[in-house]
Amino acid sequence: GESVGLHLPTLSVQEGDNSIINCAYSNSASDYFIWYKQESGKGPQFIIDIRSNMDKRQGQRVTVLLNKTVKHLSLQIAATQPGDSAVYFCAENWTSGTYKYIFGTGTRLKVLA
Amino acid sequence: AAGVIQSPRHLIKEKRETATLKCYPIPRHDTVYWYQQGPGQDPQFLISFYEKMQSDKGSIPDRFSAQQFSDYHSELNMSSLELGDSALYFCASSSMGSRGIRPQHFGDGTRLSIL
Repeated sequence: GESVGLHLPTLSVQEGDNSIINCAYSNSASDYFIWYKQESGKGPQFIIDIRSNMDKRQGQRVTVLLNKTVKHLSLQIAATQPGDSAVYFCAENWTSGTYKYIFGTGTRLKVLA
Repeated sequence: AAGVIQSPRHLIKEKRETATLKCYPIPRHDTVYWYQQGPGQDPQFLISFYEKMQSDKGSIPDRFSAQQFSDYHSELNMSSLELGDSALYFCASSSMGSRGIRPQHFGDGTRLSIL
C-alpha cells in the first residue's frame, strides 16, 4: 500500500548545527509534498512544501530536497535552535487523484544546548 | 491570520457514549480534512470534504460520520465510543492556490479521552 516513512525516529543535534531529516515515500504518483512541525499539544504546523517538478526549495532556514528517482525527501534546517525541537512529519499528496495526504512516521528532533 | 478552529479542545467521555467534534476552517478554504493521531503516532487520515461533499475516505470507522455544512464548518460525529478511540483529532483545511496545489493547514486538535 501507499506509505511514507522516515529513516530515523529521533535526531539529536547541537544548537547551531544543521539538521537533516529524511523521508522515503512509496507512491510514485505523489507529486506534492509538505513538511510539518508538530510541538507537544499542538497541531502540525506547515513548514515548507515542494512540487515534484522541483528538486529543491528554500525557505527561511529550511530547505527541502526531493529526489524522485529514489523517492526520497529531506528537510534541512540551518543553524538549529532550541525552538526547532519538535516532531517533524513529511506528507505526500497526489494532486490529480485525491484530496488526502499520507503522513509518514515522525522524527523527533532534539536540540542540545 | 485566521487559523483552523477546533472545539472542544478537550473532551472526556465514557465507553459507548457519543461525541461531536467541530471544525471551523480558515475563511475561504473549501476543503476540510479529519485526522486521528494516537500517542507517538503519525496523523491517520479519516475523511475529507470538498465544497460540502465527501471527497476522500480513509480509515474512518463505521461508528463515525462527518459532514460539512453550508458555512463550511465540519463536524465529526462519533458513536459507541471505545477505549481505542482515545486520541488527538485534528482538522485541517485547504483551498486551491496559484500553484495548483492545496496546502493543508491544521488546527490544534481535540484531545478525546475515553474512560
